[in-house]
Amino acid sequence: GQSLEQPSEVTAVEGAIVQINCTYQTSGFYGLSWYQQHDGGAPTFLSYNALDGLEETGRFSSFLSRSDSYGYLLLQELQMKDSASYFCAALYNFNKFYFGSGTKLNVKP
Amino acid sequence: GAVVSQHPSRVICKSGTSVKIECRSLDFQATTMFWYRQFPKQSLMLMATSNEGSKATYEQGVEKDKFLINHASLTLSTLTVTSAHPEDSSFYICSATKPDRAYGNTIYFGEGSWLTVV
Repeated sequence: GQSLEQPSEVTAVEGAIVQINCTYQTSGFYGLSWYQQHDGGAPTFLSYNALDGLEETGRFSSFLSRSDSYGYLLLQELQMKDSASYFCAALYNFNKFYFGSGTKLNVKP
Repeated sequence: GAVVSQHPSRVICKSGTSVKIECRSLDFQATTMFWYRQFPKQSLMLMATSNEGSKATYEQGVEKDKFLINHASLTLSTLTVTSAHPEDSSFYICSATKPDRAYGNTIYFGEGSWLTVV
C-alpha cells in the first residue's frame, strides 16, 4: 500500500486556528481527501482536493500542492466539538483510498 | 440519506464462528467496492478490492482465506470473517464509487460495522 504521513496529535484552544499537514506518495495519485472521526463513530467526509490550491468549506479549508506531494487541513474558529481524529486519505488509481495514521485534535477551553 | 449501507452495524460472535458483513450501494451500481479495517485508535487499513463477478484482490498481509469477499451483484458486496478470533475484533468499513456527472466519480463510505469476537 501507499504510506501517508501526518502528525499524531495536535492541541489547540477554542477559537484558534490549526493546520494538519499530510504528505503522500505520488505514484498513481489522483487526489487527497480529509475525514473526521469522533471516538466510536464512522469517518465522515470533509473535503477532497484533486487540483492544486485551497478549497474552503465554512470553517474548514483544505489545500493541495501536487508538486510538493503535500496537503493540509485548516480548521478555523475551533470549537470543542472539533475534538476528533482527522485522517488524510490519498486516492490512487481513481477509486482506492489509502489513509494516513490520523491526527488526534484536542481542543481545550 | 445514506448512499452506501452496511449491515450489521454491530455484531458480537463467538470465537471460532464466522460472521458476514454486507455492503450495499443504495441507488447506484458499483462494480468495485473496497473493504477497510480499523483497530481502536489506529487508521483505516485497506484490506481488499471487491470486484463484481470476479475474485477480490487483497492487500499484502491480508489473509484471503480468512476474509472471504463476495461481490455477486452490482449493488452488494459481502465480507465474511471466517473462524473469527478475538484479534479480529475491529471496525470494518466499505466504500463504493458512485458515478457523478458533475463531479466525476464520488466515493462514499458505509456506516461501518463493529465486530466483537468473544
